[in-house]
Amino acid sequence: SQQGEEDPQALSIQEGENATMNCSYKTSINNLQWYRQNSGRGLVHLILIRSNEREKHSGRLRVTLDTSKKSSSLLITASRAADTASYFCATDTGGTSYGKLTFGQGTILTVHP
Amino acid sequence: DAGITQSPRHKVTETGTPVTLRCHQTENHRYMYWYRQDPGHGLRLIHYSYGVKDTDKGEVSDGYSVSRSKTEDFLLTLESATSSQTSVYFCAISRGLSYEQYFGPGTRLTVT
Repeated sequence: SQQGEEDPQALSIQEGENATMNCSYKTSINNLQWYRQNSGRGLVHLILIRSNEREKHSGRLRVTLDTSKKSSSLLITASRAADTASYFCATDTGGTSYGKLTFGQGTILTVHP
Repeated sequence: DAGITQSPRHKVTETGTPVTLRCHQTENHRYMYWYRQDPGHGLRLIHYSYGVKDTDKGEVSDGYSVSRSKTEDFLLTLESATSSQTSVYFCAISRGLSYEQYFGPGTRLTVT
């Protein structure tokens, strides 16, 4: 199975609610990144969190990283219809794979107006 | 959007024909990547480049070759296309290792 696995695979919420997506991985990482992909478009970088960081914020986004549990979560607060997209976590495991990202299969988020 | 373009954006080709996809950047970033995206597999790294004429294989490199003769251009070639290479191909750039990557708009390739 893949290094990064997102949970849930799909999430449907109402506008204004919070959305939480989780990512689990298997091997130690150098950093973990979250990306968003709107239908038919390229991926857009959201947040990068390094292995020595526990939490990062960017606007309505909050990312946590728990290296002991090999997991990360992405929280989108006060969601909007425009947040509807697929969200991917990607891990950089460093070492001989330094700089190469391994992506999970993504969480499809639907925000209903 | 980061200055990344991909061409062509859509292509239909027949099995056994050679295909070249182009990625062009205006950001002068050193690192460039080619991924493919397939349902059930997410994005998988095909090849990447860490400088002009410096390339290395990714997770799914069989059947693909790359070249980078200029900082701004990274070419992906399918020497003899197969139906299993039907996919959406994304190029990405990065200013350094362990930095965020910026993605192009993608090329949808169909091999019949």
